[in-house]
Amino acid sequence: DAKTTQPNSMESNEEEPVHLPCNHSTISGTDYIHWYRQLPSQGPEYVIHGLTSNVNNRMASLAIAEDRKSSTLILHRATLRDAAVYYCDRSGNTPLVFGKGTRLSVIA
Amino acid sequence: DARVTQTPRHKVTEMGQEVTMRCQPILGHNTVFWYRQTMMQGLELLAYFRNRAPLDDSGMPKDRFSAEMPDATLATLKIQPSEPRDSAVYFCASGLQGASTEAFFGQGTRLTVV
Repeated sequence: DAKTTQPNSMESNEEEPVHLPCNHSTISGTDYIHWYRQLPSQGPEYVIHGLTSNVNNRMASLAIAEDRKSSTLILHRATLRDAAVYYCDRSGNTPLVFGKGTRLSVIA
Repeated sequence: DARVTQTPRHKVTEMGQEVTMRCQPILGHNTVFWYRQTMMQGLELLAYFRNRAPLDDSGMPKDRFSAEMPDATLATLKIQPSEPRDSAVYFCASGLQGASTEAFFGQGTRLTVV
């Protein structure tokens, strides 16, 4: 019973925006939505998180649906360095659970 | 530049040998996680500690794996005896307690058991 659902892979052209979707239909009221990414041969790294409102930081934006059952990670201009596996999770005060994630390929 | 440090980065060992992986969490972080990553299973949570006490180690094979935090600056993951199916990348992460906080991951220990 997966906590989140993401597409297996996506492709983007360099310098184009990328919208990575995540479905978390069983989210509870106190769960945060977290996004991490894993670059090749590295450990996962934090990207962004949010509760109800949309969030922006230097790496990305997080758009959260009004019913909170889905969210979208937005990379405003994809670069080759953004090629990675992107994971979303929804959790309260419990450890992150990583599903299969979305493998993002960026084409020059 | 605070970061989680894992040692060794790579380890090759023979089946049946004991393996110890070490992790130095970021100073001040009170929560430490151990994850294992394989191609087949992806990232799996093995165990996690809060304030040095184990909160959940249900993801670990109990007969051969053990995780400890001798002090706040060191977490260890031991496998005894090791088996080829333990070959994986083991990640340690640390963070602060709370649903809205982020976890910081180390570079991992790549373990190969032959």
